[in-house]
Amino acid sequence: AQTVTQSQPEMSVQEAETVTLSCTYDTSESDYYLFWYKQPPSRQMILVIRQEAYKQQNATENRFSVNFQKAAKSFSLKISDSQLGDAAMYFCAYRSALQTNAGNNRKLIWGLGTSLAVNP
Amino acid sequence: DSGVTQTPKHLITATGQRVTLRCSPRSGDLSVYWYQQSLDQGLQFLIQYYNGEERAKGNILERFSAQQFPDLHSELNLSSLELGDSALYFCASSLTTGGYEQYFGPGTRLTVT
Repeated sequence: AQTVTQSQPEMSVQEAETVTLSCTYDTSESDYYLFWYKQPPSRQMILVIRQEAYKQQNATENRFSVNFQKAAKSFSLKISDSQLGDAAMYFCAYRSALQTNAGNNRKLIWGLGTSLAVNP
Repeated sequence: DSGVTQTPKHLITATGQRVTLRCSPRSGDLSVYWYQQSLDQGLQFLIQYYNGEERAKGNILERFSAQQFPDLHSELNLSSLELGDSALYFCASSLTTGGYEQYFGPGTRLTVT
C-alpha cells in the first residue's frame, strides 16, 4: 500500500523568505500523481500544485515550486517570497495513475500535514 | 471558490443520532469523493461515486452510507453516531472518474456530543 510521510509537523518562515516543506512517499507503482494542498484556517482544502510522475520537469505555480525526485520518492514544496497569507496547513497527497476499473486507485492518500507559520 | 458546495457547514448532534451531509459537485464533474478529516487519523478516503454509481470504497464504516443522485449531487449518511465520528467531512469532485485533480468543498464540521 502507498504511504505519504511529512516529517515536519510545524515550520515557520519570515515574511519574504523562502521555505521548503518535505514529503516522501512509498509506492511500487511507476505512474502516479503527487499534489500539495493548502488548508488555511478557513479549513478550505486548496490545490496548490500537482506533479505527474512521468514528467521530469518540476512543476511551478507562481511562487510555489516542487522538487520531485522520483528515485528518492521525494516531493518537496518550495514557497518563495513567503506572504502572511501562506500561513496554513500543507498536505502532500498521492494518487495512483493506474487505469483500471477497480476504483480504489483514484483515492488521494495523504500525509499528516505541516503547519506553516509566517512571521511578519 | 472551488465550485463544490457542501451543506451544512456545521452540525452538532448527539450520540446515537443520524445525520445527512450534502454535496454538490462542480458543474460538469461526474465524480464525487468523500473524505473524513479527524485530529487523530488525518485525512481518510471514505467513498467515491461516478455518475451515480459507487466506484471505490475506503475506510468507511458500515454505519455510514452514501449515494449520488441523477442530478449528480451526493449525500453522506452517518447513523448511530459515536463521539469518535466527530470530524470534518469533505466532499471533492473531479471531471471524470480518471480525472486526477480533485476540487474540494468547504467541508462540514460534525460534532457529536
